[in-house]
Amino acid sequence: GQNIDQPTEMTATEGAIVQINCTYQTSGFNGLFWYQQHAGEAPTFLSYNVLDGLEEKGRFSSFLSRSKGYSYLLLKELQMKDSASYLCAVPGANYGGSQGNLIFGKGTKLSVKP
Amino acid sequence: EPEVTQTPSHQVTQMGQEVILRCVPISNHLYFYWYRQILGQKVEFLVSFYNNEISEKSEIFDDQFSVERPDGSNFTLKIRSTKLEDSAMYFCASRPIRRTTYNEQFFGPGTRLTVL
Repeated sequence: GQNIDQPTEMTATEGAIVQINCTYQTSGFNGLFWYQQHAGEAPTFLSYNVLDGLEEKGRFSSFLSRSKGYSYLLLKELQMKDSASYLCAVPGANYGGSQGNLIFGKGTKLSVKP
Repeated sequence: EPEVTQTPSHQVTQMGQEVILRCVPISNHLYFYWYRQILGQKVEFLVSFYNNEISEKSEIFDDQFSVERPDGSNFTLKIRSTKLEDSAMYFCASRPIRRTTYNEQFFGPGTRLTVL
């Protein structure tokens, strides 16, 4: 089955850099997603990695190591509005490029302090 | 920018009552999903729907749950006899077909269901 681990909470300072880690165990691999979720709101897509290495998108970057079953989300120049939960997710075991349900981790709640 | 919409935003019901949660997916999307998130817990997959039938469902999606696409735009989740433990935020999501390996899911704002 699919299993995902992330730290429960992190705190960082405005303007700083923070790295949120995710480790996963999957039967097969069809990529890894990061979503942002503000309290009481829907998850919104941040990034997708399927190959090893770093994908940069503005202030946010995501890294993947398939051999280690490990990913991280890097947030630079933190802003107060970045306070949210960050969800690591992998496609379900029957993804097959078609139906594609997502299995989410418990999320990492990031608090950005002034 | 097109969005997934959901109604109502908040539903309060008595235990044992039936509820229908409604979603309007993005118009050119073909895959539809329901997820739920119990307060303070992770987002959990319930069911996926494609080509007018369920394509996959989780253990949570038992006989009390059903989904329907009654017309060309709406996608509904029905809970026949609600239980206290059904209290959660229910998210609808949709996904287009793309000729790539990655298919981002777009989530609606959610319906908060409270069962008393």
